[in-house]
Amino acid sequence: GAVVSQHPSRVICKSGTSVKIECRSLDFQATTMFWYRQFPKQSLMLMATSNEGSKATYEQGVEKDKFLINHASLTLSTLTVASAHPEDSSFYICSAQGTGLETQYFGPGTRLLVL
Amino acid sequence: SQKIEQNSEALNIQEGKTATLTCNYTNYSPAYLQWYRQDPGRGPVFLLLIRENEKEKRKERLKVTFDTTLKQSLFHITASQPADSATYLCALLSNDYKLSFGAGTTVTVRA
Repeated sequence: GAVVSQHPSRVICKSGTSVKIECRSLDFQATTMFWYRQFPKQSLMLMATSNEGSKATYEQGVEKDKFLINHASLTLSTLTVASAHPEDSSFYICSAQGTGLETQYFGPGTRLLVL
Repeated sequence: SQKIEQNSEALNIQEGKTATLTCNYTNYSPAYLQWYRQDPGRGPVFLLLIRENEKEKRKERLKVTFDTTLKQSLFHITASQPADSATYLCALLSNDYKLSFGAGTTVTVRA
């Protein structure tokens, strides 16, 4: 149980394009979803927290107009990187927490490379 | 400032031995402390959670201790196997349900 999927697993795009990443909880309802970013050999950094039907809460230093989060249902959250630039290249990981689950469960991650 | 420090970046051990990883934290009052495993290019996989009122928790060959006075957790992998080779992350859950991660310790188990 508690499986989270992400799509796509890898994306390469040109600078200036927007990229959408989907995060789905497959076997539970995710009341809260989290988006993280991880640079090589560094720890995961929380970008934002989203609750279904509400606006996301962004961590300090994360641009909400750059990283658009939509948590439209209890099983789906999307992260859109608007007008991506090479410095946005990173590993993006989502996690989900549901009622009765003691912790967050993570997706497999999405590797973004912006050329 | 808040800090989570894992004892070393890398740990190399012989198969069958016990690997011991350390997680120290400052300026946190975590409700829970958790350990995750992360393989290259993959998301973290939850292993164990220990609450502030628990001293020790076990799961198969894994053991976690939590000392809130020392602000430290130890993570042990007993009878280690090459398949245990991965990066292990310590994470603290604060009262607002946010997880903060250490940088991780990469364990390599030699056959």
